[in-house]
Amino acid sequence: GAGVSQTPSNKVTEKGKYVELRCDPISGHTALYWYRQSLGQGPEFLIYFQGTGAADDSGLPNDRFFAVRPEGSVSTLKIQRTERGDSAVYLCASSRNRGKNSPLHFGNGTRLTVT
Amino acid sequence: GDSVTQMEGPVTLSEEAFLTINCTYTATGYPSLFWYVQYPGEGLQLLLKATKADDKGSNKGFEATYRKETTSFHLEKGSVQVSDSAVYFCALLDQTGANNLFFGTGTRLTVIP
Repeated sequence: GAGVSQTPSNKVTEKGKYVELRCDPISGHTALYWYRQSLGQGPEFLIYFQGTGAADDSGLPNDRFFAVRPEGSVSTLKIQRTERGDSAVYLCASSRNRGKNSPLHFGNGTRLTVT
Repeated sequence: GDSVTQMEGPVTLSEEAFLTINCTYTATGYPSLFWYVQYPGEGLQLLLKATKADDKGSNKGFEATYRKETTSFHLEKGSVQVSDSAVYFCALLDQTGANNLFFGTGTRLTVIP
């Protein structure tokens, strides 16, 4: 079956520009997560949605980062006034429910490069 | 806060060699522990997990035992194959079950024929 889909796979943008990254979770998965993976590092938690609402956004680094999931399915991560330090792979994951018995399924990520 | 410390790589082994990748954790309470694998050009995949002390997770010949006394979850495989070449991440899920996975920095494994 279809897995978690992220688009685009690669995005190059200039410093100061606005970008949107899209995530299509597995159908029926109520929980959705965004992670950021910098070069040589493990993924770091950004935000978690349960349904349409952001249940935990404690990992967002600053107010330039925002994410939405208006219909409880597709999610968009939005980054304003991009900086070179935002360059990373942004990973999306979904799970059927929340909790240790509901494993996360990850997409292939969007590689963002800010020049 | 919760954290995971993972053996630094890269690790290069010959085919059929024994593999150990060390992982230790710091957490309040009793977290669940995971190993994820990222093959070249693919997304992160769950390799195995253990949800309580002394549990052993296993998959594809890999094993890891949840050791509460040493706060460790080392990954082992008795005989690696070229197809095992990938980046391996140890991860922790806090006891609240919020699914905020804490990942280690990853260990790149290269297996040569």
